[in-house]
Amino acid sequence: DVKVTQSSRYLVKRTGEKVFLECVQDMDHENMFWYRQDPGLGLRLIYFSYDVKMKEKGDIPEGYSVSREKKERFSLILESASTNQTSMYLCASSLGQGDTDTQYFGPGTRLTVL
Amino acid sequence: EDQVTQSPEALRLQEGESSSLNCSYTVSGLRGLFWYRQDPGKGPEFLFTLYSAGEEKEKERLKATLTKKESFLHITAPKPEDSATYLCAVQDWAGRRALTFGSGTRLQVQP
Repeated sequence: DVKVTQSSRYLVKRTGEKVFLECVQDMDHENMFWYRQDPGLGLRLIYFSYDVKMKEKGDIPEGYSVSREKKERFSLILESASTNQTSMYLCASSLGQGDTDTQYFGPGTRLTVL
Repeated sequence: EDQVTQSPEALRLQEGESSSLNCSYTVSGLRGLFWYRQDPGKGPEFLFTLYSAGEEKEKERLKATLTKKESFLHITAPKPEDSATYLCAVQDWAGRRALTFGSGTRLQVQP
């Protein structure tokens, strides 16, 4: 079974803090993704990575950066947290080869910025 | 730009009352249409991938179908444990690896 884990289920931070969200997958997947999910807006893509050290901006990258130094680990960084970044953050990974490219999600991190 | 619209936003059923959820999509070239189930406070759980019009897939009380413009998730004789939000997403062949999601249908099955 594919397993995607995220470092924290719940996180509370203060405005201006630097925040790190960690994601690890154990299936040697090429692609990894960060989404945020907000009521009424659905899941929106922040960044994704298709290889170690490679990344591409998604639909809402402002205020975020990412790091992928090892294939299994993908980090999302909030450089200076703001209250409008309070959200559910979801990490996903996919094999990235062949016709099928199903994404598998982690349990999510509920981030509150005060 | 890919677009996905799900309806209804919310659906309340009695146990055993069958129904369907709709997912309408616009995509330049469909690589795959995905259905996920999401329980409150958790990450989406993969259910099905459909690739071409006419394709159907089943899992327990769920059956997903696909046409050129929409997909349906049919729920037959639902049970309270089927209560969840069901998400539809599409992936295209244009190079974008990420999924485009709909806003989901929140299903509540009452005993």
